[in-house]
Amino acid sequence: EDKVVQSPLSLVVHEGDTVTLNCSYEVTNFRSLLWYKQEKKAPTFLFMLTSSGIEKKSGRLSSILDKKELFSILNITATQTGDSAVYLCAVEIAGGTSYGKLTFGQGTILTVHP
Amino acid sequence: GAGVSQSPSNKVTEKGKDVELRCDPISGHTALYWYRQRLGQGLEFLIYFQGNSAPDKSGLPSDRFSAERTGESVSTLTIQRTQQEDSAVYLCASSSQGRANYGYTFGSGTRLTVV
Repeated sequence: EDKVVQSPLSLVVHEGDTVTLNCSYEVTNFRSLLWYKQEKKAPTFLFMLTSSGIEKKSGRLSSILDKKELFSILNITATQTGDSAVYLCAVEIAGGTSYGKLTFGQGTILTVHP
Repeated sequence: GAGVSQSPSNKVTEKGKDVELRCDPISGHTALYWYRQRLGQGLEFLIYFQGNSAPDKSGLPSDRFSAERTGESVSTLTIQRTQQEDSAVYLCASSSQGRANYGYTFGSGTRLTVV
């Protein structure tokens, strides 16, 4: 059974801190790994990773994938209160008849205090 | 439309009643997905539609759950004889080619509460 596990489940920090969120996976046929930010209901896309060792960066956020050790990390530097959200990791499986079907981890709840 | 639209945004229903949730995907997106998110959990895949192909229903939790989509337009998810365990946010997503990198976009979901 395909599995995605995120850690920690929750994290409380102060503004300006740097955080690292973890995502490990065990899937049959990996295609890509995605990170989403969920503040209310709709998850919003952050990154899509397909190759090992290539860092993706967007402002204070960055992410990298290790396909040998089957994990990814999401880093947020100089955190702000607006970063408070649930961060979701998902893996897209290749092959079969269903494309784009995502298997999600349980999420990390990040709370940033002023 | 500009984004994925879901309705209603909130639904409270009595145990045993049927409910119908609606998803209007981004215009031109051939692939449509339904997910369920229970409180404090990640998203669970329910069903996938791609054009006129047979849907992948492998994630539907029981035969009380069904979904339809006509062509590449609106989809409805129906839950019959609702149970309290069905309480969750139901999210719909669409993408242009059934791949996660082709504009995969989520709607704002329907929060279903079964009392």
